[in-house]
Amino acid sequence: GQQLNQSPQSMFIQEGEDVSMNCTSSSIFNTWLWYKQEPGEGPVLLIALYKAGELTSNGRLTAQFGITRKDSFLNISASIPSDVGIYFCAGPPYSGAGSYQLTFGKGTKLSVIP
Amino acid sequence: SQTIHQWPATLVQPVGSPLSLECTVEGTSNPNLYWYRQAAGRGLQLLFYSVGIGQISSEVPQNLSASRPQDRQFILSSKKLLLSDSGFYLCAWRIPPGEQYFGPGTRLTVT
Repeated sequence: GQQLNQSPQSMFIQEGEDVSMNCTSSSIFNTWLWYKQEPGEGPVLLIALYKAGELTSNGRLTAQFGITRKDSFLNISASIPSDVGIYFCAGPPYSGAGSYQLTFGKGTKLSVIP
Repeated sequence: SQTIHQWPATLVQPVGSPLSLECTVEGTSNPNLYWYRQAAGRGLQLLFYSVGIGQISSEVPQNLSASRPQDRQFILSSKKLLLSDSGFYLCAWRIPPGEQYFGPGTRLTVT
């Protein structure tokens, strides 16, 4: 089946630092989704990307849909303690007729040191 | 706007007891519905998905089953729980090819 390689697996950063994480696939994706999950809660959608090369921001978060359609990255600028959580990338692999399922990365666990 | 509910929020059940987790979606029609399990706070394992009433696809052979008795209701069940069924269960909905949205989750502890 499809796999998404998400890196790094975990990060420990100082408050105020910028964060970068990425997601790669061996297959083409037609949509990239980025989620954040806080402890004990369901994942929350942060950013959705629909076109190759698309760069989208949501506050301090910026995500890009790679030109090859096989990768995406998420940047967080000037991190704050509430950025702590697990960040997941996801997408429906291109299948022509659409896909019922999303493929998820294994997540990047972010810890922010005050 | 669309909302998704799950209950209960937490559950502690003995081994061998039955299970029923419920998920309902409001504000949308004919969504795809999904059940995931998450162990140890990492990784989402797709258990079941449904594209319509009475239509269930199972992704992983296991001790669990799912049903969709109504368009916006998705139920996860077990006749006899195992210790290995403990985890965080997430329901989600999606209208393809759009985004997927998750519920708040149910923390299940089997003792």
